[in-house]
Amino acid sequence: QKEVEQNSGPLSVPEGAIASLNCTYSDRGSQSFFWYRQYSGKSPELIMSIYSNGDKEDGRFTAQLNKASQYVSLLIRDSQPSDSATYLCAVGMDSSYKLIFGSGTRLLVRP
Amino acid sequence: DADVTQTPRNRITKTGKRIMLECSQTKGHDRMYWYRQDPGLGLRLIYYSFDVKDINKGEISDGYSVSRQAQAKFSLSLESAIPNQTALYFCATSDFQDRGLAGINEQFFGPGTRLTVL
Repeated sequence: QKEVEQNSGPLSVPEGAIASLNCTYSDRGSQSFFWYRQYSGKSPELIMSIYSNGDKEDGRFTAQLNKASQYVSLLIRDSQPSDSATYLCAVGMDSSYKLIFGSGTRLLVRP
Repeated sequence: DADVTQTPRNRITKTGKRIMLECSQTKGHDRMYWYRQDPGLGLRLIYYSFDVKDINKGEISDGYSVSRQAQAKFSLSLESAIPNQTALYFCATSDFQDRGLAGINEQFFGPGTRLTVL
């Protein structure tokens, strides 16, 4: 069973801090990796995608990929209360490029 | 206007009823997906379609069927609804971009349908 694992949280950080969210996956053949943000009762919104080892930065967000260790992480700098949401990690498996989603980490940013 | 729309947004129905959820997109994407989301279980794939003639079962297709009426339309049916199908249902689309070893499959979600089966 191909899996994507995330700590359910909640991860609580103070406003202005760096929030670090982690995700591990089981399939070594995975080729594409995504982070989605989901507010309560709303649909997932794509915020980052990464395909190669290393870091990818977009504004306050940095995605980090380590294929050897089979983990992907998301850093949110200068966290704001509006960042409070559930963050879903998704991994593209095999040649069909379907996505397998983790169950999400709930982030709370305290004012 | 939203790129991916779903109707209805909310639906309450009774056990045994037939229900159809509809999804339309204006993104021009070939690939469309249906997911359900339950608390603590994340998103699970029900069916996916890579084009009008290509429909595939996902990990939880039992009790569901789909129809891809056109490139832009993908419908999900519950032939005889049961209470454990109460969930949030999302449609998603993607436009496969081949970048060699790193194929991209960014998926974009509709607003969701909250379905309650009594």
